[in-house]
Amino acid sequence: AQSVTQPDIHITVSEGASLELRCNYSYGATPYLFWYVQSPGQGLQLLLKYFSGDTLVQGIKGFEAEFKRSQSSFNLRKPSVHWSDAAEYFCAVGENKLTFGGGTRVLVKP
Amino acid sequence: GAVVSQHPSRVICKSGTSVKIECRSLDFQATTMFWYRQFPKQSLMLMATSNEGSKATYEQGVEKDKFLINHASLTLSTLTVTSAHPEDSSFYICSAPTLQGGNSPLHFGNGTRLTVT
Repeated sequence: AQSVTQPDIHITVSEGASLELRCNYSYGATPYLFWYVQSPGQGLQLLLKYFSGDTLVQGIKGFEAEFKRSQSSFNLRKPSVHWSDAAEYFCAVGENKLTFGGGTRVLVKP
Repeated sequence: GAVVSQHPSRVICKSGTSVKIECRSLDFQATTMFWYRQFPKQSLMLMATSNEGSKATYEQGVEKDKFLINHASLTLSTLTVTSAHPEDSSFYICSAPTLQGGNSPLHFGNGTRLTVT
């Protein structure tokens, strides 16, 4: 069975500082991995996805993620966060039927 | 780009009534759609897979008689919460792939917040 773990329930970061969100997965085959962002009361917006190829994936809004098979990880990073990055972030694995991690809430301090 | 539209965005209903939520693919055909449920401050859990022209496939623990899914056309899937109770209050989100296969872009609706009083 596939599963996703996001170890950090919430993270507080200062505006302009770097951000890294952790994601560990369990999947039987080559995983399809996703990062989504959700603002309060809103749907999901896809930040980036990994299917194959280059293990460093670039996404929208300045985000990137690195797939590390040996660590079963797909951590999300952003070099410099903006106040508008405050949201809930979900890592997911699967094909069309996605399994989501528990989410990480990001708070941005001015 | 491909868009998935959900309606309504929020609904309040009385306990015991039924509520229908629509999920439409606006510029592509979707033979399959997925329905998720999200409780406050929690993650999304897959409820069921909606299949055009056939019965929906429900995840373990999801009551099929309570959450009726109808995939009437290649662009519309509906989720009906029957005899709603306060514990059914949640955020319901649908998604649809533009193509079959794992590397197809997956588009999510903006969700429907259901409150049962």
